[in-house]
Amino acid sequence: ETGVTQTPRHLVMGMTNKKSLKCEQHLGHNAMYWYKQSAKKPLELMFVYNFKEQTENNSVPSRFSPECPNSSHLFLHLHTLQPEDSALYLCASSQVAGITEAFFGQGTRLTVV
Amino acid sequence: QQQVKQSPQSLIVQKGGISIINCAYENTAFDYFPWYQQFPGKGPALLIAIRPDVSEKKEGRFTISFNKSAKQFSLHIMDSQPGDSATYFCAASHFGNEKLTFGTGTRLTIIP
Repeated sequence: ETGVTQTPRHLVMGMTNKKSLKCEQHLGHNAMYWYKQSAKKPLELMFVYNFKEQTENNSVPSRFSPECPNSSHLFLHLHTLQPEDSALYLCASSQVAGITEAFFGQGTRLTVV
Repeated sequence: QQQVKQSPQSLIVQKGGISIINCAYENTAFDYFPWYQQFPGKGPALLIAIRPDVSEKKEGRFTISFNKSAKQFSLHIMDSQPGDSATYFCAASHFGNEKLTFGTGTRLTIIP
């Protein structure tokens, strides 16, 4: 285990649903990230939080809404998603954004129907 | 400018052989080149990383070779084992910039 825990591991949701992905890190890190992993595509950075402040929004559609209440927790709120949003969503953390190694969680496999 | 091109997409190597995965980048500002290993059902994990001040870095059976003038770097796995079967991603960034740019991944299978 890397110390980064994501829940749920699998999620199936309809296009009109609202759901949230949760990430928790037990490593004492100050930076947390959301990545999207689609088949045959590079990992795409979505959001970066450094010391609870959002420092990066990589042109992500507004139907994805991140929340970082503290340095240990990160959420990704989902609403009115599209089938092409189906992917593995990975959370990662690092001591400080961009400076130190990022540790990834196991991901949430999201299917939008 | 931000793209990292990775090849091959998939690779099958016999046990004991050498696995070689290649990456090329365009952005000359990149100065940090990590390789990540991902097993099914797991998130990527940092395997080995190199900075452009050296041409090679070795950790156990894993070696990164770096060619700054060609803007290429590669991962060599010596004495490949079935447990090395995984997907490998190269990445690049400017140190201090949290934007890691990943390659598309190589699915490596080691056969007995």
